[in-house]
Amino acid sequence: AQSVDQPDAHVTLSEGASLELRCSYSYSAAPYLFWYVQYPGQSLQFLLKYITGDTVVKGTKGFEAEFRKSNSSFNLKKSPAHWSDSAKYFCALDTPGGSNAKLTFGKGTKLSVKS
Amino acid sequence: AQTIHQWPVAEIKAVGSPLSLGCTIKGKSSPNLYWYWQATGGTLQQLFYSITVGQVESVVQLNLSASRPKDDQFILSTEKLLLSHSGFYLCAWSLTNSDYTFGSGTRLLVI
Repeated sequence: AQSVDQPDAHVTLSEGASLELRCSYSYSAAPYLFWYVQYPGQSLQFLLKYITGDTVVKGTKGFEAEFRKSNSSFNLKKSPAHWSDSAKYFCALDTPGGSNAKLTFGKGTKLSVKS
Repeated sequence: AQTIHQWPVAEIKAVGSPLSLGCTIKGKSSPNLYWYWQATGGTLQQLFYSITVGQVESVVQLNLSASRPKDDQFILSTEKLLLSHSGFYLCAWSLTNSDYTFGSGTRLLVI
């Protein structure tokens, strides 16, 4: 069975700093990995995904993430951070192939960027 | 362009009352459809998925049921709400397992 771990429930940093939100996964083969952002009271917005190929993927809103198979991680990065990046971020995993697609989410990291 | 519409936007319901939430997808033929639930401040948990009309698979038992009466429609329901049903319900669609689109969600408060 697959799982996703986001070890940091809360991250606080100052505007202009670099942000890195951690995500690790457990899956026996190569996964599909996603990052979503959720602003208060809103639905999920897609940021980026890793399917195959280049291990550094760029997404919307200036975010990027690096897939590291060696330590099963897919950390989200942005520099510099802006106060408007304050939100909850979810890392998610899906398994290639098969007809029963299922996104498995981590518990999320609440990011607060102080201006 | 494809759109995903969820209704209602929000509900306040009494314990023991029935519930029906809906989701409509326009612009895509035979999408995979999903229901997710998020407790306040929590993560997202997949409840149901459907690959085709009339077929729904349950992922988590929460005393809820789902149906897909049409290709573009996914319904989540229960006859008796529990306090634990409160939360945020999200419908999503995909054509592959590398591309998901989420609806705007329904916020449910059970009192």
